[in-house]
Amino acid sequence: GAGVSQSPSNKVTEKGKDVELRCDPISGHTALYWYRQSLGQGLEFLIYFQGNSAPDKSGLPSDRFSAERTGGSVSTLTIQRTQQEDSAVYLCASSLGTGMSGANVLTFGAGSRLTVL
Amino acid sequence: DAKTTQPNSMESNEEEPVHLPCNHSTISGTDYIHWYRQLPSQGPEYVIHGLTSNVNNRMASLAIAEDRKSSTLILHRATLRDAAVYYCILRDNYGQNFVFGPGTRLSVLP
Repeated sequence: GAGVSQSPSNKVTEKGKDVELRCDPISGHTALYWYRQSLGQGLEFLIYFQGNSAPDKSGLPSDRFSAERTGGSVSTLTIQRTQQEDSAVYLCASSLGTGMSGANVLTFGAGSRLTVL
Repeated sequence: DAKTTQPNSMESNEEEPVHLPCNHSTISGTDYIHWYRQLPSQGPEYVIHGLTSNVNNRMASLAIAEDRKSSTLILHRATLRDAAVYYCILRDNYGQNFVFGPGTRLSVLP
């Protein structure tokens, strides 16, 4: 597609429920990133995919968080047993990633705003 | 990834140039300097990037010091729509993730 698409744009859920957030990167972009941004805060790195593999999961805050990417394209971030502190905007970005060039730039989606009541 | 240091906030008047500094004294020879900005209620967007030479595009200019330990993002004529948080990031050929610091919050006064 023309840009990075994220869904849902807004999600309100009750504490303890599971949620899935979806990211559809730009076609041909092999690298995909998930970030979290709490209200008024900076971007917190969560996980990075190169193709279908996730060489860097260091940012996932707990084992309630997981992410997968299939077919080297769409990625899903799953939060199990949501807590109120999970409330944030979850941002996805993609880049060409080929050859790990430092010149590759990120294109971000509009984000998914998660509110846990 | 090497660290960058930016002022927390800056102010500018509309239609005046803005120079946003970034220090990166531990930069390595293979690190690219990237700038992104985040407008209110939006995801970050790419602004410009460079390696050694100064760069210009339709959005901004990037001036890189000769020793590459600092750089400056230049907005030639600030508009109200340029009010955003500006992030300076280093990215090498081996780094796998982009690390965003707190950035500089730019306010543009009419």
